[in-house]
Order: sequence, then C-alpha cells, then structure tokens
Amino acid sequence: EAGVVQSPRYKIIEKKQPVAFWCNPISGHNTLYWYRQNLGQGPELLIRYENEEAVDDSQLPKDRFSAERLKGVDSTLKIQPAELGDSAVYLCASSLSPQGWTEAFFGQGTRLTVV
Amino acid sequence: KNQVEQSPQSLIILEGKNCTLQCNYTVSPFSNLRWYKQDTGRGPVSLTIMTFSENTKSNGRYTATLDADTKQSSLHITASQLSDSASYICVVSAQTGANNLFFGTGTRLTVIP
Repeated sequence: EAGVVQSPRYKIIEKKQPVAFWCNPISGHNTLYWYRQNLGQGPELLIRYENEEAVDDSQLPKDRFSAERLKGVDSTLKIQPAELGDSAVYLCASSLSPQGWTEAFFGQGTRLTVV
Repeated sequence: KNQVEQSPQSLIILEGKNCTLQCNYTVSPFSNLRWYKQDTGRGPVSLTIMTFSENTKSNGRYTATLDADTKQSSLHITASQLSDSASYICVVSAQTGANNLFFGTGTRLTVIP
C-alpha cells in the first residue's frame, strides 16, 4: 500500500512568487495534516482537516497561505506571495481518525527554497 | 503549556555502541507517546507508540521506555549502525484539543565508523 505521497519533492522560487504543494493521503484516512518544519526543528502544525473540513487552522498565516481538501481526499497548500522566511520543509501527514491514539503517517515532504 | 523537550540536541557515537535519547513532556491529558526517526530529506517514520499503561516497547534494536508519573521517556538504541544516523523526534499526543500532537525538536544522531 502506498504511503502519503507529496509533490513536488523540491521547489525553488523567487520571493513574491506563488507556489503550491500537493498531498495524497493514505486511502481511507480521514484526517490530514500540513506541517512546516524548519531546519533543526520539529514540525509545526499549519492546518488539520477532518474529511474536507478544516478543523484547526489557527497556525496558518492566512494572509498568504491557503489550503483546500476538496472531496476529503487530496489536499493542496498554497503560498502567495512567498517570502524568504517561508523556506522550509512542508510535510503532509494522515491518520485514520482525529483521535490522538491513532498513528500519523508522514509523506517525504516538499523542500521549499525562496530566493 | 503543552511542551515536549528532548536531549541531547545532537549526539555522535561510534558504530556498534549503544546510546539513549531523552524526552520530557508536560502534555496533558496524556494519550500516547511516539518516537519517530527522520532521515535527512525524508518524512518522519514511526518507531514506537506507547500508551499510558506501557512501560517498555521494543522495535528491533530500538527500545522505548515511558514513565507516565514523571512524564519522561527514553529511546535506547543498541549496537548502533551507520544507518541509524538520523533525527529522532519525540511526539506526545493529548486526548483532547484541535492540535493534539506535540513535537519535540529532535535529537540529531550521527553514527561514525
């Protein structure tokens, strides 16, 4: 069974340009997370979805970040316009249920470099 | 405040040696604690997951312990291999709350020949 799939793996863009990341969670997983991980740090939650509903987006910088999960499966995370400080690895994870006792599986991440 | 702290921040050991990584947390109400291994350029991969009633859990050469009273956990790696070089992240899950996964900053382990 395929794990969480993310694309692209790497992205280099100039500041002020838009960028989008895509995530395909494990089949049947209702909960989907987007995390941002800076170098040498643990992941920080950006947004969590239960099916197609965003249940926690309190850490998402809404002036430039947006996300969607149409039909409750795939998800996209967009940044417009990107800033130098957005350079990081963006991780997508999914789990069977929102409860803390179910395991979250991570994708390989998208490494974004803003120049 | 829910926090997860790991130590040491980084560690270098010789191949074949053992090592122990530490995790202290203040997350409440506690649900479970997980250790993830994250290779450079890859997403975290789960090693163990422990609930309140579990004191020890092993996965090959990895053994995790949990003391729910003192809110401490350790990850012991036996007979280290070069492929163990990675970041090890402690993640504590709360029973409630929209954001219910709390991440430590990780321990960067380097195994040298």
